[in-house]
Amino acid sequence: EAGVAQSPRYKIIEKRQSVAFWCNPISGHATLYWYQQILGQGPKLLIQFQNNGVVDDSQLPKDRFSAERLKGVDSTLKIQPAKLEDSAVYLCASSLGTSNSETQYFGPGTRLLVL
Amino acid sequence: AQTVTQSQPEMSVQEAETVTLSCTYDTSESDYYLFWYKQPPSRQMILVIRQEAYKQQNATENRFSVNFQKAAKSFSLKISDSQLGDAAMYFCGGSQGNLIFGKGTKLSVKP
Repeated sequence: EAGVAQSPRYKIIEKRQSVAFWCNPISGHATLYWYQQILGQGPKLLIQFQNNGVVDDSQLPKDRFSAERLKGVDSTLKIQPAKLEDSAVYLCASSLGTSNSETQYFGPGTRLLVL
Repeated sequence: AQTVTQSQPEMSVQEAETVTLSCTYDTSESDYYLFWYKQPPSRQMILVIRQEAYKQQNATENRFSVNFQKAAKSFSLKISDSQLGDAAMYFCGGSQGNLIFGKGTKLSVKP
C-alpha cells in the first residue's frame, strides 16, 4: 500500500513570495491533515479535512495560509505571502476516519526555508 | 484545553538496555486517546503505540509498552531491548478530537 505522498520535499523562497505544497493521502482515507512543525517542536495542526470539507481550521493563519482538498483526495496548502517565521516542515497526514482513536499516517514532509 | 508535556529533550540508552520516556497529558476530559509517534531522522512519523484512556490495561506492542497513570496524568513509554533503529525523535500526543503533540524527546542509542 502506498503511503502519504508530498511534494516538493524542499523549498527555499524569499519572504513575501508565495509557495504551494501538495499532498496525496493514502487511498481510501477520508481525513486529511496539514501540520506545521517548527524546528525543536512537535507538529501543530493547521487544518483538517474530511473528504472535501473543512473540519477544523482554527489554527490556520487565514490571512496568508489557504488550503483546499478538491474532490476529497489530493490537497494543496498555500502560503502567500511567506514570512520568515513560516520556515518549518509542513507535514501531511491521513486517516481512515475522524475518530479520536484513528491512527494518522504521515508523509515525509516538505521542508520550507524562508529567507 | 489540553496540554502535552515532554520534559526530557534528550535521552540516551545503551543498546539492549531499557529506557523510559516521560509524558504528561493534562485535560479535563475523560474520553481521549494517547499516542506515541516515532520520527526517525529524515523519515516520516510512524505510530509506535496507542492507549485508550478508559482502559486500565496498559498497551504493549512487542518491545514497546506504556505506563498510563490516569490520575497522575502520566503516559510514559518504555522501550525494552533497545536497538540502533530505535534512535529517533519520539512525540507523545493526546487526542480528544484533534491530536496535540508534545515537543518531543530525542533518543540516542549507543552501540
